[in-house]
Amino acid sequence: DVVLTQTPPTLSATIGQSVSISCRSSQSLLHSNGNTYLNWLLQRPGQPPQLLIYLVSRLESGVPNRFSGSGSGTDFTLKISGVEAEDLGVYYCVQSTHAWTFGGGTKLELK
Amino acid sequence: EVQLVESGGGLVQPGRSLKLSCAASGFTFSNYYMAWVRQAPTKGLEWVASITNSGGSTYYRDSVKGRFTISRDNAKSTLYLQMDSLRSEDTATYYCTRMDYWGQGVMVTVSS
Repeated sequence: DVVLTQTPPTLSATIGQSVSISCRSSQSLLHSNGNTYLNWLLQRPGQPPQLLIYLVSRLESGVPNRFSGSGSGTDFTLKISGVEAEDLGVYYCVQSTHAWTFGGGTKLELK
Repeated sequence: EVQLVESGGGLVQPGRSLKLSCAASGFTFSNYYMAWVRQAPTKGLEWVASITNSGGSTYYRDSVKGRFTISRDNAKSTLYLQMDSLRSEDTATYYCTRMDYWGQGVMVTVSS
């Protein structure tokens, strides 16, 4: 089974600061069809998750472009260029190349 | 507008059964792979089960294999999760999702 390891588990940031979250997979997420099904979600307190990034780097409609995703194979990164107050919550990477697996989450809080 | 509305949750004793439903609207349900994801109180997200758009293939996490059954009725635009032999560790909020859209979730509590 695929294991996704997210780091750090907690991230403290000031408004306007740029931050990055890492997601490492125990096996390659490159599908035989050429796609890499690695997505990023944000779950705000008391809310269901929302999709931010899909297929590693594609921005979901309506998501601000301060969010960006990168990576390939087994190593992936979510970057927020200039944290805003509405970005606080828990971020999850999730793969759907081999069934589904979620990372453990990264809680973004204000410093 | 895409909507996913879960129902059927509640308090149930260990060993009993419960069936969750997810009513979908605002999109062509039969075109989408669907899944159930759960979240135990104060914990992270955990994939439970998935089903292909036709319903022809289903997938489960190991801890629910043989106890849970995912199914769908494309004519009714509804996703289901039949949960048998429930355990305390199944206590969670259960979300219906197609990855880009998520329902609000339904709480399942397994306790005597």
